[in-house]
Amino acid sequence: DIQMTQSPSSLSASVGDRVTITCRASQSVSSYLHWYQQMPGKAPKLLIYGASSLQSGVPSRFSGSGSGTDFTLTINSLQPEDFATYYCQQSYSAPYTFGQGTKLEIK
Amino acid sequence: QVQLVESGGGLVKPGGSLRLSCAASGFTFSDYYMSWIRQAPGKGLDWVSYISSSSSYTYYADSVKGRFTISRDNAKNSLYLQMNSLRAEDTAVYYCARSSTLRAHYDYWGQGTLVTVSS
Repeated sequence: DIQMTQSPSSLSASVGDRVTITCRASQSVSSYLHWYQQMPGKAPKLLIYGASSLQSGVPSRFSGSGSGTDFTLTINSLQPEDFATYYCQQSYSAPYTFGQGTKLEIK
Repeated sequence: QVQLVESGGGLVKPGGSLRLSCAASGFTFSDYYMSWIRQAPGKGLDWVSYISSSSSYTYYADSVKGRFTISRDNAKNSLYLQMNSLRAEDTAVYYCARSSTLRAHYDYWGQGTLVTVSS
């Protein structure tokens, strides 16, 4: 199975900050890497697919990059509604594993 | 609009069985792969299983292989997860989600249904 490792596991930031979350795969997943946002008590929401494509309706302050084994999710100018938990997921090879999550908290 | 609505969760004793359902609407269900993903209380997302659009292909995480069975009824726009030999570690919120192809992302998720395995 492909292991997905996110860093950091938690992050404190302020409104207006720029933050970056990284995701590393234990082997290449090409560009089959996706990012989700989850608010407490809610289902995950797709933000970025194919490593860098922005899902329809998602604000442009969210962006993704990377290929192979190393990926980043960047959020520019944090808004209050962005404080949530973020997960990466690979769909290159089943089982389609998720990272352990990064909890973004208000400083 | 696309809707996925899970049902069937509840409290079950270890070794028991439960069948989850996911009712789909707002899209052509038979065109999509469907999956189950779960989340234990306070934990991260844990991928469980997928089924192809025509039910030709299925795949399971090792942790549920041989105990869980995914199926679908395209005529009823419904996805199912039959869970047998349940263990305490199966306690989680179970989400159904759709993807357009085998390797695609999950663009819509249901709201989840809670399964609690406890004596």
